[in-house]
Amino acid sequence: GENVEQHPSTLSVQEGDSAVIKCTYSDSASNYFPWYKQELGKRPQLIIDIRSNVGEKKDQRIAVTLNKTAKHFSLHITETQPEDSAVYFCAAQSGYSTLTFGKGTMLLVSP
Amino acid sequence: NAGVTQTPKFRVLKTGQSMTLLCAQDMNHEYMYWYRQDPGMGLRLIHYSVGEGTTAKGEVPDGYNVSRLKKQNFLLGLESAAPSQTSVYFCASRTGAEAFFGQGTRLTVV
Repeated sequence: GENVEQHPSTLSVQEGDSAVIKCTYSDSASNYFPWYKQELGKRPQLIIDIRSNVGEKKDQRIAVTLNKTAKHFSLHITETQPEDSAVYFCAAQSGYSTLTFGKGTMLLVSP
Repeated sequence: NAGVTQTPKFRVLKTGQSMTLLCAQDMNHEYMYWYRQDPGMGLRLIHYSVGEGTTAKGEVPDGYNVSRLKKQNFLLGLESAAPSQTSVYFCASRTGAEAFFGQGTRLTVV
């Protein structure tokens, strides 16, 4: 089955800095890569996703890049704000219906 | 539109007791999932369903059973709870790309 590795496990930045979270996947057949944000005590919510036929996608301050050859994808957050503090999960979809998640990255943005 | 609703939100069980967690979605989604979330372990798939009447095992299915008798409901059962099943359980559903999660059930087994 699919295996997703996510780094780093924790990331501390100053407000206004950029943050980058990286994930690798094992199944070359995976074709969908979403990112979820989970605030403390809340449910995970989708913030951005990318399909395997696209190399980069951007939505305001967040962007995701995908390198299919190397089987890795990354989340980029620019101009970080304290409300960006949360746990971020990457995931990969292999097969028809299941999402495999990374272990998560706790992002702390200090004012 | 409630989305995905889990019942109960919190529960404390004694070792050996049984219980059922209910997940209900009102979005007519085909796929439904049960995940458990433990510190440092991310979201691990327990069981999933690709449609009414179907179920399949995920990454960590031992000690759990599921049923999907109606399209909108996905039940997760613990027949004999163990302390290792202490966790936060999330249900999710999807038809297209985005998975929608329930609010979670915090289960403690003592």
